[in-house]
Amino acid sequence: GAVVSQHPSWVICKSGTSVKIECRSLDFQATTMFWYRQFPKQSLMLMATSNEGSKATYEQGVEKDKFLINHASLTLSTLTVTSAHPEDSSFYICSASATSGGTYEQYFGPGTRLTVT
Amino acid sequence: GNSVTQMEGPVTLSEEAFLTINCTYTATGYPSLFWYVQYPGEGLQLLLKATKADDKGSNKGFEATYRKETTSFHLEKGSVQVSDSAVYFCALSAYNQGGKLIFGQGTELSVKP
Repeated sequence: GAVVSQHPSWVICKSGTSVKIECRSLDFQATTMFWYRQFPKQSLMLMATSNEGSKATYEQGVEKDKFLINHASLTLSTLTVTSAHPEDSSFYICSASATSGGTYEQYFGPGTRLTVT
Repeated sequence: GNSVTQMEGPVTLSEEAFLTINCTYTATGYPSLFWYVQYPGEGLQLLLKATKADDKGSNKGFEATYRKETTSFHLEKGSVQVSDSAVYFCALSAYNQGGKLIFGQGTELSVKP
């Protein structure tokens, strides 16, 4: 149980275009989803917290107009990278939060590799 | 603020060697503690967790004990295998933060046959 999927798993786009990444919780409902960015050989950097039906909360330094997050249902959150540039190339990982034994637990998607040319 | 510090990698071991990856944390209150593993090109998988002091999390031969007195959650395995080669992340989730995780920097483990 507790499976999270991401689509696409990898994408190549031209500079200036927009890319949408989907994150789905397949067998549970997630009121909260998180979006992370990971550079090679580095840790995960939290970009934003997404709650179903409300605006996402962005971490300091993350441009909300560039990284648009929508959490339209309890099983789906999307991240749109607008007007992508080469420096946006990265590995993007989402997670979905569920309670387990009274504590929160995050279940991670497999990640999306974005390359902007 | 809350933070997690892990020992730096990469760590290179021979198969069947003993593994320890150190993790210490700073947090107010009583956080939950986690170890995640990331295989190349993949997302993170929960390896084990502990939610209160003196709890021991264990899975697939890995263990970690929540030590409040030393604010530590060191990962151990008695005999590593080549298939354990991955990056390991220690993380904490503070009380009342809605599950938000704070990660350590990750420790790369390479196990040679």
